[in-house]
Amino acid sequence: AQSVTQPDIHITVSEGASLELRCNYSYGATPYLFWYVQSPGQGLQLLLKYFSGDTLVQGIKGFEAEFKRSQSSFNLRKPSVHWSDAAEYFCAATGGGNKLTFGTGTQLKVEL
Amino acid sequence: DVKVTQSSRYLVKRTGEKVLLECVQDMDHENMFWYRQDPGLGLRLIYFSYDVKMKEKGDIPEGYSVSREKKERFSLILESASTNQTSMYLCATTTGSSGNTIYFGEGSWLTVV
Repeated sequence: AQSVTQPDIHITVSEGASLELRCNYSYGATPYLFWYVQSPGQGLQLLLKYFSGDTLVQGIKGFEAEFKRSQSSFNLRKPSVHWSDAAEYFCAATGGGNKLTFGTGTQLKVEL
Repeated sequence: DVKVTQSSRYLVKRTGEKVLLECVQDMDHENMFWYRQDPGLGLRLIYFSYDVKMKEKGDIPEGYSVSREKKERFSLILESASTNQTSMYLCATTTGSSGNTIYFGEGSWLTVV
């Protein structure tokens, strides 16, 4: 079955520190991959997406993600976290047809 | 920017009541989705629609139905609400092409008491 796994439920980082959120997928072929962010009480906003080509993808708000086929991973990174980055982050994938399968989310807390 | 509007942000309903959640998109997109979001479970697909009057079950359709009479509007219906349907409901939309960005509404918080 197709699935997306986010191993970390909660992560706490200090403001200014680097961040990496993990995401692993299980699909028959390379899926389309996405990272979304959700602020409290809000809908989901797309940070970045990977379809093909360059395996390092740049997104909004200074985020990037790297696709690693050998590890079935699509980890999200940011070199220096800001307090406003505190939110819940979701990794998602689709094999086509636009039905997204989501991970269970990672709650990011930023310490000042 | 794509706008996805969920008309009801916060609702409180009694067990057994009928609940209608409505979603409208302004980009003439073919595809529309209803997800349910619960802590620790992420987002789970309830129903989706590829075109007017077309619908398909997602991963958790039990207890829900949908209606799509017009392209821009996708409604989620709980015929008889139960307490285990207390949740955040998110509507989403995208074009018919695979892999395109999926846009979400701000969500509807439903509490069933």
